[in-house]
Amino acid sequence: DIQMTQSPSTLSASVGDRVTITCRASQSIKSWLAWYQQKPGKAPKLLIYKASSLESGVPSRFSGSGSGTEFTLTISSLQPDDFATYYCQQYESFYPLTFGGGTKVEIK
Amino acid sequence: QVQLLQSGAEVKKPGASVKVSCKVSGNTLTEFSIHWVRQAPGEWLEWMGGFAPEDGDIVYAQRFQGRVNMTEDTSADTAYMELSSLRSEDTAIYYCATERFDGGAFDIWGQGTMVTVSS
Repeated sequence: DIQMTQSPSTLSASVGDRVTITCRASQSIKSWLAWYQQKPGKAPKLLIYKASSLESGVPSRFSGSGSGTEFTLTISSLQPDDFATYYCQQYESFYPLTFGGGTKVEIK
Repeated sequence: QVQLLQSGAEVKKPGASVKVSCKVSGNTLTEFSIHWVRQAPGEWLEWMGGFAPEDGDIVYAQRFQGRVNMTEDTSADTAYMELSSLRSEDTAIYYCATERFDGGAFDIWGQGTMVTVSS
């Protein structure tokens, strides 16, 4: 199985901050990586696919980069609506598809 | 607008089975590859299985092999996930989700179904 490791697990930040979350894969997944946002009691929401492609309707302050084994999700200017938990997911291999452990973005 | 509408919360005893449904509205089930993802309380997301176009069949995560069965009723535009031999560790929210047309990322999610396993 391809292991996905996110860091940090928790991040404290203020409105307006630039925030970066890292996701590392245990082997190369090329650019087959997605990022999701999840709020309490809600289903995950797709933000980024293919490592850097912004899903339709997602604000442009979200961006993704990376390839191979190291990836980042950046929020350029944190907004109140962005306090949530973020997950990465690899889809290079279906056997199985795997998610990272999550990064909770909290208010500082 | 496509939506996935899941069945309601379930409470089951250890050893029982549960069947969760996921109805596609706004389009037909045949347009999508449906996958199932679960999330234990306070935990991360775990993929259980789904339709793999390259295989032309449903594939399951190995840890659920033999205990899970995913089916579809195209006449009702509804997908189902049945999990058997339930144990307390199966207490979780179960989500269905559709795979993007270009593969692998999940762009539409159901609202989730809470399954509680308790004696």
